[in-house]
Amino acid sequence: GAVVSQHPSWVICKSGTSVKIECRSLDFQATTMFWYRQFPKQSLMLMATSNEGSKATYEQGVEKDKFLINHASLTLSTLTVTSAHPEDSSFYICSARRTASSNQPQHFGDGTRLSIL
Amino acid sequence: AQTVTQSQPEMSVQEAETVTLSCTYDTSENNYYLFWYKQPPSRQMILVIRQEAYKQQNATENRFSVNFQKAAKSFSLKISDSQLGDTAMYFCAFTPYGGATNKLIFGTGTLLAVQP
Repeated sequence: GAVVSQHPSWVICKSGTSVKIECRSLDFQATTMFWYRQFPKQSLMLMATSNEGSKATYEQGVEKDKFLINHASLTLSTLTVTSAHPEDSSFYICSARRTASSNQPQHFGDGTRLSIL
Repeated sequence: AQTVTQSQPEMSVQEAETVTLSCTYDTSENNYYLFWYKQPPSRQMILVIRQEAYKQQNATENRFSVNFQKAAKSFSLKISDSQLGDTAMYFCAFTPYGGATNKLIFGTGTLLAVQP
């Protein structure tokens, strides 16, 4: 159990376009979802935390107008990179947690490799 | 501030042998959770093992076990009978107990290569 699906796994697009990444918990309901960014050979950097039905909480330095997060249901959260530019190219990973409390572990998706030309 | 330190950027071990990955952390919290996550070349993060700070007994999960030293704020991972499929980046992570916004704090990772 505790499967998280992320789609797409890889996307290449032109500079200036917006890209939407989906994160779904397939066999459990996720009260809280997290979005991370990972650069090559580096650790995961938390971008934002979202609770179902609430506005996302963004980490310091992350532009909320650039990275739009929607957590409209207990099984789906989306990250939209608006007007993407080459510096936004990265590996984006989502995770989902059953409850709002950190007692429960986070379960991670497979990640999305975003390449902006 | 809460931090997690992994002092070994890369390690190598022969197949079937045992390897220990180091992790130290800094916190003023008394109750918290510690995790080891594995990220193979496929890039998916996989939970390897979890330890609750209030438990004195070290967590074990098949070939994976931890040495949790709360006073020393140390949380090392031991992999026994290493297999080729264990080749991956390993991240140590910390989160305070409870709370809706508590987040995982990751170390910088240790790249483990299991040699045939």
